[in-house]
Amino acid sequence: QKEVEQDPGPLSVPEGAIVSLNCTYSNSAFQYFMWYRQYSRKGPELLMYTYSSGNKEDGRFTAQVDKSSKYISLFIRDSQPSDSATYLCAMSEGNTGRRALTFGSGTRLQVQP
Amino acid sequence: NAGVMQNPRHLVRRRGQEARLRCSPMKGHSHVYWYRQLPEEGLKFMVYLQKENIIDESGMPKERFSAEFPKEGPSILRIQQVVRGDSAAYFCASSPSGRDDTQYFGPGTRLTVL
Repeated sequence: QKEVEQDPGPLSVPEGAIVSLNCTYSNSAFQYFMWYRQYSRKGPELLMYTYSSGNKEDGRFTAQVDKSSKYISLFIRDSQPSDSATYLCAMSEGNTGRRALTFGSGTRLQVQP
Repeated sequence: NAGVMQNPRHLVRRRGQEARLRCSPMKGHSHVYWYRQLPEEGLKFMVYLQKENIIDESGMPKERFSAEFPKEGPSILRIQQVVRGDSAAYFCASSPSGRDDTQYFGPGTRLTVL
């Protein structure tokens, strides 16, 4: 079983739709949770960064962390064709000295104009 | 404000040759991380360095791979005697000092082993 599970998709939605992306994890020591966006043959771009449980909003993006369920989500409102990319969840233990990020395998999103 | 820089962007090596990948962190960042992305697989952690110190190399293959982050100059990931299975995209990330874990990634180096 992978430490972080993420549905690979592809996920195809019409422009303007609300997109929901999710990851589950098994390591209860994870405290820091991130979402990255990666366009084809580019480096990952940090979208959202959250510490512990709770919600965080930034523009059209909302990140949610539920540590009790070991479940994190990213919502994209009013999706645009330019949002078409692979979305990676990532997490780390942080304070324990382990800063390495453990990534999900990525969900490929296609927003149709 | 320049981001994380990696060079070369593309590197072709024949089996048995050495590959050297360079990473310059963002200005003000003193922590560097290397990750590898194999075709159709996710990003895997390799090594975490601060200036002149390897902090965590738990993801580094035991043989042929080494990394350094000298007092002056970029971080170097070195792969000796490359094999076809080393073909991948290698990404470097950097983060500020202290408790901020936010990691910013470079554009990657795509290594092809013939």
